[in-house]
Amino acid sequence: KNQVEQSPQSLIILEGKNCTLQCNYTVSPFSNLRWYKQDTGRGPVSLTIMTFSENTKSNGRYTATLDADTKQSSLHITASQLSDSASYICVVSPSNDYKLSFGAGTTVTVRA
Amino acid sequence: DAGVIQSPRHEVTEMGQEVTLRCKPISGHNSLFWYRQTMMRGLELLIYFNNNVPIDDSGMPEDRFSAKMPNASFSTLKIQPSEPRDSAVYFCASSTQTASYEQYFGPGTRLTVT
Repeated sequence: KNQVEQSPQSLIILEGKNCTLQCNYTVSPFSNLRWYKQDTGRGPVSLTIMTFSENTKSNGRYTATLDADTKQSSLHITASQLSDSASYICVVSPSNDYKLSFGAGTTVTVRA
Repeated sequence: DAGVIQSPRHEVTEMGQEVTLRCKPISGHNSLFWYRQTMMRGLELLIYFNNNVPIDDSGMPEDRFSAKMPNASFSTLKIQPSEPRDSAVYFCASSTQTASYEQYFGPGTRLTVT
């Protein structure tokens, strides 16, 4: 069964600090992995996408890594801002299949 | 581009009533997805349309749920009769292709059934 597990479930950090979110998956065959950001009351918005051959992808202060061998990904937030407070969802896409596998998300709270 | 448009944004209804959620996908996108999001189960795919044709409705929880896509720019998700356990946020998403291409999500409809 295709599964995506994220950790931690939630975290609180002070503004300006860094944090790292983890994602482990068992989806096979693998096509790509995306990190989505979901603000409260909004729909998820894609931050990064990585395919099998990519190890790192950055989008501003967000940096995602992928280890396809161990089936692990991480999302690193640098110099956090209050606007980074949101839920971050790891989404894995299998090859030749429209059914995405969603993680439960990590809720990040940035405090001043 | 206005993005995926959903209406209403919030819906509060009594148990037994009919509820209709609406979605306008991004122009040019030929795939449309309806999802349900709850705290307990996260995001779940309800139904997938490709070129206005329902391809996979295996995620529709019961016969009380139905979805239509009469044309490329409009889709509805209907619940009749509604029950309290249907309370959730319902998202519509669209994409240009399946799987490998990004799905763009709408703002969602928060449904509360009392």
